[in-house]
Amino acid sequence: DGGITQSPKYLFRKEGQNVTLSCEQNLNHDAMYWYRQDPGQGLRLIYYSQIVNDFQKGDIAEGYSVSREKKESFPLTVTSAQKNPTAFYLCASTPAGDRDGYTFGSGTRLTVV
Amino acid sequence: AQSVTQLDSQVPVFEEAPVELRCNYSSSVSVYLFWYVQYPNQGLQLLLKYLSGSTLVESINGFEAEFNKSQTSFHLRKPSVHISDTAEYFCAVSDVTSGTYKYIFGTGTRLKVLA
Repeated sequence: DGGITQSPKYLFRKEGQNVTLSCEQNLNHDAMYWYRQDPGQGLRLIYYSQIVNDFQKGDIAEGYSVSREKKESFPLTVTSAQKNPTAFYLCASTPAGDRDGYTFGSGTRLTVV
Repeated sequence: AQSVTQLDSQVPVFEEAPVELRCNYSSSVSVYLFWYVQYPNQGLQLLLKYLSGSTLVESINGFEAEFNKSQTSFHLRKPSVHISDTAEYFCAVSDVTSGTYKYIFGTGTRLKVLA
């Protein structure tokens, strides 16, 4: 079955460490997105990519980095510069255009210890 | 810039009672509208969407939403809820004219169905 796979499901990080969250899709979707979810704040866009080797900052890109070397993969690195990284991270994808709605992965819960 | 408001952060309702979850968006430019549902520790699932045409759209599990352009609203309704409908619901809007394919999400409404 086609879908989006996020790994790991739970991730613990020490302060000062960089960590990378994986997002892989086999839907042949062109666009991919990373959102951060905090209680009571909904989803906030971190980065998005509409084509391979190109990506744009979202509303809260500071302290994060991404790459899009392959159509099916869009990893997110949470750097030590991110002041408050503890959150639930969601990856999504969609075909070109915005009529179809996003397909979401099951999320990664990152906790800084 | 486009924004989405979900005024109710939590909605408790008894089983088999009707429910309405409210969603308003800020701009009357051409938009696509979506409702998503999220169960605990999971991703979001698309519930229904409005692109054009009939202003009333329905999902397969009994939810419906009505697009009201004059009131810039897209409220979600269900005539009789079940315990299994307990989840968080997010409204989202896409500005068709922006060309960026980005959705703006509301802050979510937590629906709690009581026995």
